[in-house]
Amino acid sequence: DAGVTQTPRHEVAEKGQTIILKCEPVSGHNDLFWYRQTKIQGLELLSYFRSKSLMEDGGAFKDRFKAEMLNSSFSTLKIQPTEPKDSAVYLCASSLTRVGAEQFFGPGTRLTVL
Amino acid sequence: GDSVTQTEGLVTLTEGLPVMLNCTYQTIYSNPFLFWYVQHLNESPRLLLKSFTDNKRTEHQGFHATLHKSSSSFHLQKSSAQLSDSALYYCALSGNYNVLYFGSGTKLTVEP
Repeated sequence: DAGVTQTPRHEVAEKGQTIILKCEPVSGHNDLFWYRQTKIQGLELLSYFRSKSLMEDGGAFKDRFKAEMLNSSFSTLKIQPTEPKDSAVYLCASSLTRVGAEQFFGPGTRLTVL
Repeated sequence: GDSVTQTEGLVTLTEGLPVMLNCTYQTIYSNPFLFWYVQHLNESPRLLLKSFTDNKRTEHQGFHATLHKSSSSFHLQKSSAQLSDSALYYCALSGNYNVLYFGSGTKLTVEP
């Protein structure tokens, strides 16, 4: 079975640009998560979907970050406009909806904003 | 709110010595799940072990942890560190939904 896939693996953007990151969850998983990972802040939740419904979005990220689930097998994270402080690894994860289920992480997208 | 505390940011050990990484938590949930995720260099986090049951030892790949609700702790241990254990370890908590509340992470370095 395919794991979580993310594209692109690397993205370089100029300040002020709009970028879109993509994620395909594990087939059959109805919970999908977007995280941002930095050395200083560690893993921070950006968005959480259950069966395509937005359940939680990280309050600090509402301003310029928007995640969507276009269908049960595809999600996007849009950052608009990008700022240098957005440079980080963006991880997508998915899980079954069962309480306590393991989250499976994708390989991540490394974003650099100049 | 819910939070996880990992007091050590960096731990350096000599191969063969025991490992203990600390994790304490705060939560409103009476039955939280506690997790340890491990992230090796240039890889993504993956589940190492998890627990839901109070005072029951959980083991996987030589590591073990016991959830103690009385002290809100879920420390990760291993009897003998290996070079391949060098990685970033995250303790995490979830409640009714599967949102994970991660600690700040502990970078473990095992030296020869």
